[in-house]
Amino acid sequence: EAQVTQNPRYLITVTGKKLTVTCSQNMNHEYMSWYRQDPGLGLRQIYYSMNVEVTDKGDVPEGYKVSRKEKRNFPLILESPSPNQTSLYFCASSPWTGPGEKLFFGSGTQLSVL
Amino acid sequence: AQKITQTQPGMFVQEKEAVTLDCTYDTSDQSYGLFWYKQPSSGEMIFLIYQGSYDEQNATEGRYSLNFQKARKSANLVISASQLGDSAMYFCAMRESHDKIIFGKGTRLHILP
Repeated sequence: EAQVTQNPRYLITVTGKKLTVTCSQNMNHEYMSWYRQDPGLGLRQIYYSMNVEVTDKGDVPEGYKVSRKEKRNFPLILESPSPNQTSLYFCASSPWTGPGEKLFFGSGTQLSVL
Repeated sequence: AQKITQTQPGMFVQEKEAVTLDCTYDTSDQSYGLFWYKQPSSGEMIFLIYQGSYDEQNATEGRYSLNFQKARKSANLVISASQLGDSAMYFCAMRESHDKIIFGKGTRLHILP
């Protein structure tokens, strides 16, 4: 089944404790992206990647890192999480042939930083 | 600058009525795509409908249609004959010919029995 798999689904952590949220897709998509969703703010793009070893900042990259060493995986790293990073996070992927390609989303990761 | 505006934070609609969710956008690109996604209370993001900037006909997918008015830069979602299961958050999104994909702040739709 074609899917984007995010783990974990829920995560509670403490300030400053490094964490990684994994994202993997099995559709051979070139484009992958991370979003955070906050009430009243919609989805905001954190980072995106057009292909292996190619990543770029979205609108809210501060406090996050990503890597794209393999086409299928695009982990999101919070090296020193803070309470303002408490949010619902989505990973998404798509082919990249133009602006008509829809995003395929993971199930989301609800992160709480205490 | 690239921008998506959804002006209705919340809406209440009687079951079986049609509903229009507003979306306006701003872009300097000639080639772009407009999307609508549904997020039910379970949290997943569900793709509903797509409209390309060069498409002359409004997109339709079952009960969903997209009222695309290019000169006004609007891409409103129309749901015909609303159902209780349509209660959800709805997001409008835009993808330009380069890399960024942006979303609006969403509209929370409540369908009343």
